[in-house]
Amino acid sequence: EPEVTQTPSHQVTQMGQEVILRCVPISNHLYFYWYRQILGQKVEFLVSFYNNEISEKSEIFDDQFSVERPDGSNFTLKIRSTKLEDSAMYFCASSGDSRGEQYFGPGTRLTVT
Amino acid sequence: AQTVTQSQPEMSVQEAETVTLSCTYDTSESNYYLFWYKQPPSRQMILVIRQEAYKQQNATENRFSVNFQKAAKSFSLKISDSQLGDTAMYFCAARMGSNYQLIWGAGTKLIIKP
Repeated sequence: EPEVTQTPSHQVTQMGQEVILRCVPISNHLYFYWYRQILGQKVEFLVSFYNNEISEKSEIFDDQFSVERPDGSNFTLKIRSTKLEDSAMYFCASSGDSRGEQYFGPGTRLTVT
Repeated sequence: AQTVTQSQPEMSVQEAETVTLSCTYDTSESNYYLFWYKQPPSRQMILVIRQEAYKQQNATENRFSVNFQKAAKSFSLKISDSQLGDTAMYFCAARMGSNYQLIWGAGTKLIIKP
């Protein structure tokens, strides 16, 4: 069964460093998303991506964040200068159409020290 | 405002019992989709069931079913014959109108006791 994959599973970085979180969505899906979940809190939407551009983003997704689909399979989230409050579980998701259910990857646990 | 509310922080039932998790939502949109996701201790987010707002029939997926009350803006999840593997956080989420994002409830921690 097709699934969304994410790497790494756990990333530890120092405050101020850049990190890139990687995702491989389900191959025939066209819509891609990033969410984050700070431990013990709600899941928060960051950004959606379709047709090589951002289709929607939240207030959280400020200038320190960027997304890219560098090739036909990967979808990345870059955080330019990490802050302590960026520590969270980051989930990538994909869907086959704009109304369909979103399938999530296993997440990347980001720890900023 | 578009919101999703889960009022039960934690529930606990015996194995094989039936349990219902509550969810309410608020939106002025006529077109929306509702979802229940399960998050076991591994923290993987797993889709359990979905419901389209335009469908009157309640969705069912094996032991999982929903009670969708559109007028009351309620979307509860019923788990029948609960199993130990059902122990997890359960999140209600909604996709409203033309928005791409899912809006999430705070989650209900479900514990199935042997």
